[in-house]
Amino acid sequence: QKEVEQNSGPLSVPEGAIASLNCTYSDRGSQSFFWYRQYSGKSPELIMFIYSNGDKEDGRFTAQLNKASQYVSLLIRDSQPSDSATYLCAVKDTGGFKTIFGAGTRLFVKA
Amino acid sequence: ETGVTQSPTHLIKTRGQQVTLRCSSQSGHNTVSWYQQALGQGPQFIFQYYREEENGRGNFPPRFSGLQFPNYSSELNVNALELDDSALYLCASSFKSGAAYGYTFGSGTRLTVV
Repeated sequence: QKEVEQNSGPLSVPEGAIASLNCTYSDRGSQSFFWYRQYSGKSPELIMFIYSNGDKEDGRFTAQLNKASQYVSLLIRDSQPSDSATYLCAVKDTGGFKTIFGAGTRLFVKA
Repeated sequence: ETGVTQSPTHLIKTRGQQVTLRCSSQSGHNTVSWYQQALGQGPQFIFQYYREEENGRGNFPPRFSGLQFPNYSSELNVNALELDDSALYLCASSFKSGAAYGYTFGSGTRLTVV
């Protein structure tokens, strides 16, 4: 059973701090990795994707991938109360037909 | 560019009944995937359709079935509803070419089975 594991949280950080969200996956052949944000009562929204080892930056968001350790992370710089949401890590499996989601990490940014 | 639209937004059904959920893909997307999300859980993959054929399926029984139409819209059908089928059902469209493409999700259908 291919799995994606995340700490369920909640993770609480003060406004302006860096929030660090982590994810591990079991399918060593996976090539594509995604972070989605889901506000309460809403559907997931894609915020980052990464498929090469190293860092990828987009505004206040940085995704980090280490395929050898099967580890993906998301850093949110200058966290804002509007970043308070559940963050879902997702991994496209080796066959490429399905994307497997973790259970999500709830993030609270305190003003 | 239109997004992904799902209907209905909310639905209440009785155990044993059948339900059909509908989804219109985002313009330019030719692949539709359906997910089930229980409260407090991540989305669970049901199946994916590409060019009107199912080309991937998760651990869901055969009473979960689907269709994709030539305009890339899609339906999810669930027969013999059970109480545990109560969840948010999400339709996600994507452009199949390129493994790096993520999903665009619809707003979901909240199904309650009583």
